[in-house]
Amino acid sequence: GAGVSQSPSNKVTEKGKDVELRCDPISGHTALYWYRQSLGQGLEFLIYFQGNSAPDKSGLPSDRFSAERTGGSVSTLTIQRTQQEDSAVYLCASSLKTGPYEQYFGPGTRLTVT
Amino acid sequence: EDQVTQSPEALRLQEGESSSLNCSYTVSGLRGLFWYRQDPGKGPEFLFTLYSAGEEKEKERLKATLTKKESFLHITAPKPEDSATYLCAVQALASGTYKYIFGTGTRLKVLA
Repeated sequence: GAGVSQSPSNKVTEKGKDVELRCDPISGHTALYWYRQSLGQGLEFLIYFQGNSAPDKSGLPSDRFSAERTGGSVSTLTIQRTQQEDSAVYLCASSLKTGPYEQYFGPGTRLTVT
Repeated sequence: EDQVTQSPEALRLQEGESSSLNCSYTVSGLRGLFWYRQDPGKGPEFLFTLYSAGEEKEKERLKATLTKKESFLHITAPKPEDSATYLCAVQALASGTYKYIFGTGTRLKVLA
């Protein structure tokens, strides 16, 4: 079956612009996760959704970051007024439920802020 | 502070040379420890979930074990296709919400 898909695969933007990153989870997966992976760094957990609800937004790096999920499916991560330090690979994952279930990752969106 | 530390950072093995990767963790409310494999330019691929100390899981040349403070990923007779970055992660439950902490990984290179 189809895996987790993310779009765009690559995004180059100018400092100060807004960007939207999209994640399409595996059908039937109720939990969805966003991570950020900077060059040579581990995965930094940003936020998770159970259905359309995000119980804890404290992992988002700043108030320029926001995320939403609609219809229990597609999720969008929005970064406003991008800064060079936002450059990274943004990974999305989904799992059947929240809890200790394996996560299936998408290929990521590589964001470059110039 | 919750923390996951992996060692070594990088490991070079000859084909057939068995070894172990370490993941030590300090976390409250552990719900599960995960191992993933990540190839360059791709998202992590799930390998194992371990839930409690003493648990072991195997898959082909890989075996994961868990104690109260650390986990090991044992690689037996590795092949060049086992070359990848291996990531350890923990899931914890705190104040009714989940958090996920990843280590920085071990870059494994298996030489033919």
